[in-house]
Amino acid sequence: DGGITQSPKYLFRKEGQNVTLSCEQNLNHDAMYWYRQDPGQGLRLIYYSQIVNDFQKGDIAEGYSVSREKKESFPLTVTSAQKNPTAFYLCASSIGGGHEQFFGPGTRLTVL
Amino acid sequence: GENVEQHPSTLSVQEGDSAVIKCTYSDSASNYFPWYKQELGKGPQLIIDIRSNVGEKKDQRIAVTLNKTAKHFSLHITETQPEDSAVYFCAASDPNQAGTALIFGKGTTLSVSS
Repeated sequence: DGGITQSPKYLFRKEGQNVTLSCEQNLNHDAMYWYRQDPGQGLRLIYYSQIVNDFQKGDIAEGYSVSREKKESFPLTVTSAQKNPTAFYLCASSIGGGHEQFFGPGTRLTVL
Repeated sequence: GENVEQHPSTLSVQEGDSAVIKCTYSDSASNYFPWYKQELGKGPQLIIDIRSNVGEKKDQRIAVTLNKTAKHFSLHITETQPEDSAVYFCAASDPNQAGTALIFGKGTTLSVSS
C-alpha cells in the first residue's frame, strides 16, 4: 500500500514543551511539505523540502523546525517559541514542483 | 508574493443542482492550479487540476476552467450529490518558491441537501 502517513492523529502538549510530528511516505517522492490549517483558513506552508538534506522556509516558519535525513521522512518539531501552536498539521509529498501533492491524514495538536 | 482569493466561503445547493466555486490569483507566472476536497478530520484529496496551457478540463461531473488573462479559475460540479458535501480548496503554484509550493485559498464549504 503506497501512501503518506502521519502520527500521532491527536497530540496534546503543555506550554513550553517541544513536540515532534511524524510524516512518512513510501511513494518515492522527492518533495515533501508541512502545512498548518486553522478553522476557516486555507492551508499555510510551514516548510518544504525538494530533496534529501535540503529544506526551505515557507510563509510561517517561525517557531518550527524540520529535518530531511531520509527521502521518506520529514518530521516537524513545534518548539516552545511557537506562540499559538494549536492547529491541524498536514504533511504532503509530490514527485516535484508543479505536480499533485498527496496529503497525509493530519495531526491535531492541542496545547493545554 | 502569490495570493489566492476564493469565493464563496459557503455554498448550499439542492441535490441535482450545479455548484460553482471561483478563485483568483495574483501572479501571472503561476502555471499549476489544483482543486482539493477535504472531508471533516481528514487530509485534502486532489479532485482535478489544470495547467496554464489548457483552458478547460473535465472529469465526469467535475470541470475546471482557467482564464489566464483575467487570472481566475473556477470549479464546476454538476448533478451534485450529498456525498459532494465537503470543504473545497483551490490552489496555485507559487513562482516565488521555485514553483514547488502551493498557495491555497481559504476554502468553500459546500453543503448538498437531499
